[in-house]
Amino acid sequence: DAKTTQPPSMDCAEGRAANLPCNHSTISGNEYVYWYRQIHSQGPQYIIHGLKNNETNEMASLIITEDRKSSTLILPHATLRDTAVYYCIVRQGGGGNKLTFGTGTQLKVEL
Amino acid sequence: EPEVTQTPSHQVTQMGQEVILRCVPISNHLYFYWYRQILGQKVEFLVSFYNNEISEKSEIFDDQFSVERPDGSNFTLKIRSTKLEDSAMYFCASSRTGFNEKLFFGSGTQLSVL
Repeated sequence: DAKTTQPPSMDCAEGRAANLPCNHSTISGNEYVYWYRQIHSQGPQYIIHGLKNNETNEMASLIITEDRKSSTLILPHATLRDTAVYYCIVRQGGGGNKLTFGTGTQLKVEL
Repeated sequence: EPEVTQTPSHQVTQMGQEVILRCVPISNHLYFYWYRQILGQKVEFLVSFYNNEISEKSEIFDDQFSVERPDGSNFTLKIRSTKLEDSAMYFCASSRTGFNEKLFFGSGTQLSVL
């Protein structure tokens, strides 16, 4: 699976959009970009995933650049409960669900 | 929303003792996983399990570890002779299929080996 690079920490004001970047410059054609988060040592929680098109669900939006070398997770209206470590994971789409977690981005949402 | 349940939430044991961590995956899921997270470190993959067989395991998952689905609903992780370095949060996860599926994680069992 391709390596990802994320900033170690970010701050966001409550109610504002949180934009979390991820670089995956060595991503290959059949690899998906997944985002999970972990709130204070709880089990990781799935957020969203995509291959090449932008994706949106009830939790977030995922913007993938045209060359697929980077992506941005957008939480449109961050709340205090979104304070967590956010993991960007690149995974092969062909088979197997093994996730390789990095160190992620610690997002702190403040009043 | 259905969830993965893990018991106990905390387990304290003496070094050298056997421990069994229990998980109830989501009922229609077919793939099961164990991960662990040592305090302050990354979440690490241990093993994946499908159709009563291990489908993949990491280097961490040595002969001291075993997994089992004893009764069609529970999924267990056994550590035969615990070491101090086995102290960690252990997360169980499940997924509907084994291909490009999101994983649902439990809330974890904190294992402390004294």
